[in-house]
Amino acid sequence: EDKVVQSPLSLVVHEGDTVTLNCSYEVTNFRSLLWYKQEKKAPTFLFMLTSSGIEKKSGRLSSILDKKELFSILNITATQTGDSAVYLCAVAVNNAGNMLTFGGGTRLMVKP
Amino acid sequence: NAGVMQNPRHLVRRRGQEARLRCSPMKGHSHVYWYRQLPEEGLKFMVYLQKENIIDESGMPKERFSAEFPKEGPSILRIQQVVRGDSAAYFCASSPSRGPYEQYFGPGTRLTVT
Repeated sequence: EDKVVQSPLSLVVHEGDTVTLNCSYEVTNFRSLLWYKQEKKAPTFLFMLTSSGIEKKSGRLSSILDKKELFSILNITATQTGDSAVYLCAVAVNNAGNMLTFGGGTRLMVKP
Repeated sequence: NAGVMQNPRHLVRRRGQEARLRCSPMKGHSHVYWYRQLPEEGLKFMVYLQKENIIDESGMPKERFSAEFPKEGPSILRIQQVVRGDSAAYFCASSPSRGPYEQYFGPGTRLTVT
């Protein structure tokens, strides 16, 4: 059974701190790994990673994938209170279903 | 360019009633996915549809749940004879193709069964 595990479960930091969120996976026939940010509504797409070692960056957020060790990290630098959310990692596999298998999420709280 | 739209946003049903949840994909997207998020749990895949076709329903409960995506109109997730355990947030996502394209999520429908 495909499995996606995120750590830590939750994290409390102060504004300006840098955080690293982890996602490891065990799936057959990996295609891509996606990161989403979920506040009290729809998961918002952040990144999709398909190749190892290529960093994706958007403002203060960045992410990288290691397909050999089967994990990805999401970095957030100079955190702001608006970064408070649940961060979800999901993996897509090559099959007819095209479904995403999600991890349990990391709940990040950024205090002023 | 409107995103994925879902309605209603909140739905209250008594046990035994039917729930109908609607999803309109993003413009230009022909693939729709339904996910369920139970309280304090992660998102779980339910079903994947293209227009007039169910491609993968491996995550759907075998009874009471059905989904469709007709040629015209939104995709509908239908839950018959709802029970308290069906209370959850139901999210719809869409993509332009099988991938590897990212899936964009709607705001969800929060179903409460009393």
